[in-house]
Amino acid sequence: QVQLQESGPGLVKPSQTLSLTCTVSGGSISSGNYYWNWIRQPAGKGPEWIGRIYTDGSTNYHPSLKSRVTIALHTSKNQFSLNLRSVTAADTSVYYCARGIGSYNDYWGQGTLVTVSS
Amino acid sequence: EIVLTQSPDTLSLSPGEGATLSCRASQTVSNIHLAWYQQKPGQAPRLLIYGASRRATGIPDRFSGSGSGTDFTLTISRLEPEDFAVYYCQQYGSSPPSTFGQGTRLDIK
Repeated sequence: QVQLQESGPGLVKPSQTLSLTCTVSGGSISSGNYYWNWIRQPAGKGPEWIGRIYTDGSTNYHPSLKSRVTIALHTSKNQFSLNLRSVTAADTSVYYCARGIGSYNDYWGQGTLVTVSS
Repeated sequence: EIVLTQSPDTLSLSPGEGATLSCRASQTVSNIHLAWYQQKPGQAPRLLIYGASRRATGIPDRFSGSGSGTDFTLTISRLEPEDFAVYYCQQYGSSPPSTFGQGTRLDIK
């Protein structure tokens, strides 16, 4: 059974960088035809896809976030990460990591709340 | 960017009744790129349907998906108490971004 777990600071100051890590267990992130996604959800709203990384390291990002986002694989630790630069209060959300098969996400982490505030 | 609009925003029904949830896309979406999720408070979304009509592993057969082009439907027959939640549709076409609908809240009447 694949499991994903997000970790990182719950509070980030405006203009700083939000950094999260997703640890995957029950399967290798470097094998299989999987995408590894970051998705966020502001309180009371629908999810918003941030981006994804494939097992070969290729990435796709949401156009509105592309200039501020980096997603990377860390295969030796079976982890992948999210860096979101120059954050504002609008980036306050629950952040999820999720495994993707083609167009859908079958396994999700439990989510972690990140608040942007001074 | 493909915008998904779900209707209704809220649906109030009783256990045992049937539910029909709609997801309309601003552009044509390939069937293989349309999924439905269920989300309960404090939990991550759970995959119900992928490829517009294929049930995910472990999903009861009272959940079914249909539709094509720009109009998709999630049908829940014989609502159980645990089915009352928020439901989202999602699409991922040939190019980013993937998008989600705004959600339909299914409430107990």
